[in-house]
Order: sequence, then structure tokens, then C-alpha cells
Amino acid sequence: DIQMTQSPASLSASLEEIVTITCQASQDIGNWLSWYQQKPGKSPQLLIYGATSLADGVPSRFSGSRSGTQYSLKISRLQVEDIGIYYCLQAYSAPYTFGAGTKLELK
Amino acid sequence: QVKLQQSGAELVKPGASVKLSCKTSGYTFSTSYMSWFKQIPGQSIEWIGMIYAGDGGTGYNQKFKGKATLTVDTSSSTAYMDLSSLTTEDSAVYFCARRSHHWFAYWGQGTLVTVSS
Repeated sequence: DIQMTQSPASLSASLEEIVTITCQASQDIGNWLSWYQQKPGKSPQLLIYGATSLADGVPSRFSGSRSGTQYSLKISRLQVEDIGIYYCLQAYSAPYTFGAGTKLELK
Repeated sequence: QVKLQQSGAELVKPGASVKLSCKTSGYTFSTSYMSWFKQIPGQSIEWIGMIYAGDGGTGYNQKFKGKATLTVDTSSSTAYMDLSSLTTEDSAVYFCARRSHHWFAYWGQGTLVTVSS
């Protein structure tokens, strides 16, 4: 199975701050990496697909990048509504696997 | 608009089985893929498996083979997941999600399954 190592596990940041979350894949997954935000009691919401493409309706302060097998999600100016847990997902090969999650809190 | 409406919370006894549903609307169900996921509260998400509604073809995470069985009813645009021989380790929230290429833009609201005597 492909392992997705996500970091940090938790992050405390201030409003308007730049936030970066990373996922390291254990092998090549191409661009088949997506990012999700999950709020308590809710289902995950797609933010980024294909490693770098912004999903419909997602604010432009979110962006995704790739360097080899390392993938990053960046929030350019943190807003209150961005608080939640973020997950990466590889859907390159089955079984699809998620990162362990990053809990983002306000400082 | 695309909607995935999951069935309500279940309280089941150890050893029993449960069938969860995911009723869809707003897109062509019969040519789509549906995946199911498991999330124990406070933990990350696991992919259980996927079914193609066109022919009922399935693919499972090895971890869930024998535990989960995926089916569809194209006449009602509904996907189902049977969970068998339930134990307390099966207590979790289960999500259905429609696969678009290699990502999941549409999710059900989740069904909480509690296994307890």
C-alpha cells in the first residue's frame, strides 16, 4: 500500500498568516493527489485535485503544489472559516490512502 | 445539483449485520463510480472500496474484504454497503462519495454505526 506521511499533525496559526501542510508519498503517485478540509461532524470537502487544481467554489487563497513525491497545500491568508482538519488523499492506486490529518487551529 | 443522501444512524449488536444506503440525485448514476469510507471519530479516513454502477463491478481494500459488500440499485440510483459480523471495531462513521476521475467532489453526510450490546 502507498503510505502518505502528512505533517504537521497540528498547527496553530494567526489570522492572515500563511499556512503550509505537506504530504510525502511513499512512491510515485503522479498528480493523483487531492486535499480535503473536514469540520467537526461534517463530511470532507474537496479543496484541491490533481495536486494543483482548485475545486469549484474554493477560495483562491488555497493552492496546491508538487515537488516529486512531496505535495503541499498552502493557505495564503488564514481566515476563521479555514479552521478544521486537513487530509491528503492518493487515488493513484488501490487501496486509496489518506494522510493522518493536520488539525489547524487559530492562535 | 448533485446530492448523496445517506441513511440514518444505526445501533447494532455485536455479530449482527447492517446495510447502509446512499441515495443519489443530480447526475447519471448508472455510469458512475461510488466509493465508501470509514472514519473512527478522532481518526483519519480509510477507503473501503468502490463499485461501478454500470455493471456492479467492485474493488475492495484488502482490509475490508469479507467485512463489506458493495451493491447498487440503478432503478433508484442508490448505492448500498453491507457490513457483516460487526464488532466494536466497526463502530465508526461511514461515508459514500462519488468518484470523479481520481478525486471525490461529492460526499454523503455520513452514517454513524455504533456496535454495542
